[in-house]
Amino acid sequence: QVQLVQSGAEVKKPGASVKVSCKASGYTFITYDISWVRQAPGQGLEWMAWISANSGSTNYAQKIQGRVTMTTDTSTSTAYMEVRSLRSDDTAVYYCARGSSSGSLGMDVWGQGTTVIVSS
Amino acid sequence: QSVLTQPPSVSGAPGQRVTISCTGSSSNIGAGYDVHWYQQLPGTAPKLLIYGNNNRPSGVPDRFSGSKSGTSVSLAITGLQAEDEADYYCQSYDSSLSSGVFGGGTKLTVL
Repeated sequence: QVQLVQSGAEVKKPGASVKVSCKASGYTFITYDISWVRQAPGQGLEWMAWISANSGSTNYAQKIQGRVTMTTDTSTSTAYMEVRSLRSDDTAVYYCARGSSSGSLGMDVWGQGTTVIVSS
Repeated sequence: QSVLTQPPSVSGAPGQRVTISCTGSSSNIGAGYDVHWYQQLPGTAPKLLIYGNNNRPSGVPDRFSGSKSGTSVSLAITGLQAEDEADYYCQSYDSSLSSGVFGGGTKLTVL
């Protein structure tokens, strides 16, 4: 079945970096985009970024642009998101999802989420 | 403050019909960008409920439906069931921000 499996929880200190992985299976990886969405504790969903698994083109939310990098490894059908210079307000559950923010099909498959805690 | 505006909460008794609104602007919903709805049960990842304003993915009951008018969209849920108690989010694309945007979310309580 189609699924996205994310890497495990992370605890980081302020100023550090974190890299979250998202491994796809059950479909042809390069035929769909991958988006990243995060959810701070008790808060709503926040769109972060999008990457074309085919071309590598990216688009980042203005709020986090400059501190985040998305990449893909088509040989392993895995997408990665790295967030640098972590702050306490980066503490959230990070989700990868299949699909783009501007597409007509929505984000139809979601990973299980990766908890990132930023604390000194 | 979210770009797309949703009511924080709605409620209804089992069997009733409820609607959740999502209001945008001329740079997102009004510009013709598709709106999608997601259901998030407590402690779980969001699930695509409606895509392209009014389409249901396979497996989503026809009790859920979407509609669009101008710069607003609505999610309607008929025949409310206890299992529908969840948070609901609308999502679209905003050309001014050049990014995806979500509504603030609506908590549905089944009385």
